[in-house]
Amino acid sequence: DTAVSQTPKYLVTQMGNDKSIKCEQNLGHDTMYWYKQDSKKFLKIMFSYNNKELIINETVPNRFSPKSPDKAHLNLHINSLELGDSAVYFCASSPTPQGVAFFGQGTRLTVV
Amino acid sequence: TQLLEQSPQFLSIQEGENLTVYCNSSSVFSSLQWYRQEPGEGPVLLVTVVTGGEVKKLKRLTFQFGDARKDSSLHITAAQPGDTGLYLCAWTGNQFYFGTGTSLTVIP
Repeated sequence: DTAVSQTPKYLVTQMGNDKSIKCEQNLGHDTMYWYKQDSKKFLKIMFSYNNKELIINETVPNRFSPKSPDKAHLNLHINSLELGDSAVYFCASSPTPQGVAFFGQGTRLTVV
Repeated sequence: TQLLEQSPQFLSIQEGENLTVYCNSSSVFSSLQWYRQEPGEGPVLLVTVVTGGEVKKLKRLTFQFGDARKDSSLHITAAQPGDTGLYLCAWTGNQFYFGTGTSLTVIP
């Protein structure tokens, strides 16, 4: 079984559309994250969610919103997609905010 | 300003060569982690270093945490094509913060 799974793996969409990326972890972890990896391969934290507490990176546009229906899921919803949103988005989880991070395989988002 | 600066940014070497990757900061950390990310995959943890001056070995990989806990290095002996990937150091505060990354290519 995949520990952290994301869907879809690839997503191509037009500017202005709204899209969601799903993430599920079966590790029983309390903390989940979303990261954006740009073309320069820098992994930038977007959100972390721990025990219903959401920590938002202040540089993330409010078009991005995480949604957690339960502890095992943290989905990423993006409104009004822009060209600059094209990147690989990674979901991760860890047992605690200071523990080891386990990553999904990533979702390559291309906005055209 | 990046909290964790890695150098070099890119490295291309021949199989069998040795190399060292650096992770530097002006801040003191309680611990640092090293991850490797292969193409098309997410990062995977290699090691966590906790004590200043600590040295950990993982087969041909040697990790060192600086005495002042502000920097760390990763040395690979006799690099192999399977070592190709993006190497990332990371700090965990209330979130995971990753370094700027070193992209390594080992040419057969």
